[in-house]
Amino acid sequence: NAGVTQTPKFQVLKTGQSMTLQCAQDMNHEYMSWYRQDPGMGLRLIHYSVGAGITDQGEVPNGYNVSRSTTEDFPLRLLSAAPSQTSVYFCASSPGAKNIQYFGAGTRLSVL
Amino acid sequence: GDSVTQMEGPVTLSEEAFLTINCTYTATGYPSLFWYVQYPGEGLQLLLKATKADDKGSNKGFEATYRKETTSFHLEKGSVQVSDSAVYFCALIRGSNYKLTFGKGTLLTVNP
Repeated sequence: NAGVTQTPKFQVLKTGQSMTLQCAQDMNHEYMSWYRQDPGMGLRLIHYSVGAGITDQGEVPNGYNVSRSTTEDFPLRLLSAAPSQTSVYFCASSPGAKNIQYFGAGTRLSVL
Repeated sequence: GDSVTQMEGPVTLSEEAFLTINCTYTATGYPSLFWYVQYPGEGLQLLLKATKADDKGSNKGFEATYRKETTSFHLEKGSVQVSDSAVYFCALIRGSNYKLTFGKGTLLTVNP
């Protein structure tokens, strides 16, 4: 059982480049979300989705786009990377409200 | 809004020492409370949870009791091991919300 899979594990970008962080889950969970983790800041919610075709903003959405065309996939897009987006990104999924969230292993992104 | 405040680290203990990591929260109603653990280089995984007042969550020798009167969910372990070295996050979900609110995390290092 793969759980939540994130790719790539590491990425280096130049300022202004675009990229997509991939997230896939094989547990048929309705809820998926993206967090970023920065030193001394804990995890902050970027975007989330409560089902295919439904997305909403979290605490720090600026500079990021998401879409949810299938239950399994929830990609995170950086349209024009900035050094402030250097962080570790985690994707999570959950079967329902107030339930356990399952996290991927993370993507470490550096923007130069 | 909702918030979680946890003891700032780092915390350094010797093997077999007693561990307490304090966590208090601010939220209306009756949130569900969680402790997540992040081992080096990995994503977060659920350690334990409690969904109502006076519930005690427990796992791998760790315990935490949901105290509504003090809005607290302190993590304890009677005898830590080197393998417990990790970052520990206290978190809550309120109502029928899907969104986890995290504390900033506490780094625990256990020395042999």
